[in-house]
Amino acid sequence: SAVISQKPSRDICQRGTSLTIQCQVDSQVTMMFWYRQQPGQSLTLIATANQGSEATYESGFVIDKFPISRPNLTFSTLTVSNMSPEDSSIYLCSVAMDWFSYEQYFGPGTRLTVT
Amino acid sequence: AQSVTQLDSQVPVFEEAPVELRCNYSSSVSVYLFWYVQYPNQGLQLLLKYLSGSTLVKGINGFEAEFNKSQTSFHLRKPSVHISDTAEYFCAVSYYNQGGKLIFGQGTELSVKP
Repeated sequence: SAVISQKPSRDICQRGTSLTIQCQVDSQVTMMFWYRQQPGQSLTLIATANQGSEATYESGFVIDKFPISRPNLTFSTLTVSNMSPEDSSIYLCSVAMDWFSYEQYFGPGTRLTVT
Repeated sequence: AQSVTQLDSQVPVFEEAPVELRCNYSSSVSVYLFWYVQYPNQGLQLLLKYLSGSTLVKGINGFEAEFNKSQTSFHLRKPSVHISDTAEYFCAVSYYNQGGKLIFGQGTELSVKP
């Protein structure tokens, strides 16, 4: 498994602003993912963060709204841009150790409230 | 479309009683199945997984699940629950050749009462 940390753990932001969430892993991992969990809902994949190339976004999510970086095998960031109250969610980073294990380990999440 | 259905949104149960949380997925040739638990205000913790082999898989905290390919189900069971099992449980599926992404069910809130 891996130990995953996220910063910040929570934040309250004004609409129209942007927030960058960091995800740090204690070991090199093959795959990193970003999920959103809206209040009382399940998890939805936003994108796969690819090391050294552009992220792969799921249907309904776009790079202009959720730019993602992954400069190396242990770190990624997700930015929530031009926020609105509908962006209030928990954002979770997850990792897969290799291409064959399929199981993912999750960070503690970032609880975002947009006012 | 690929999907996961958790048939019960809430399951109340008394302490030391058995429990089953139900999960069905849309059929595919190769699937990998997971159960995660989310305690209040915490991230997700992997309970157990099915990748291949024996259809009965055992996980942490006394939970087990059975993969049933013909019924496309992966139900989670525990013979005797504790108060500390109170949490949200998510079933998730990863389909072969889909880049490793997980598709989650809607979650089942397990509430264990004394």
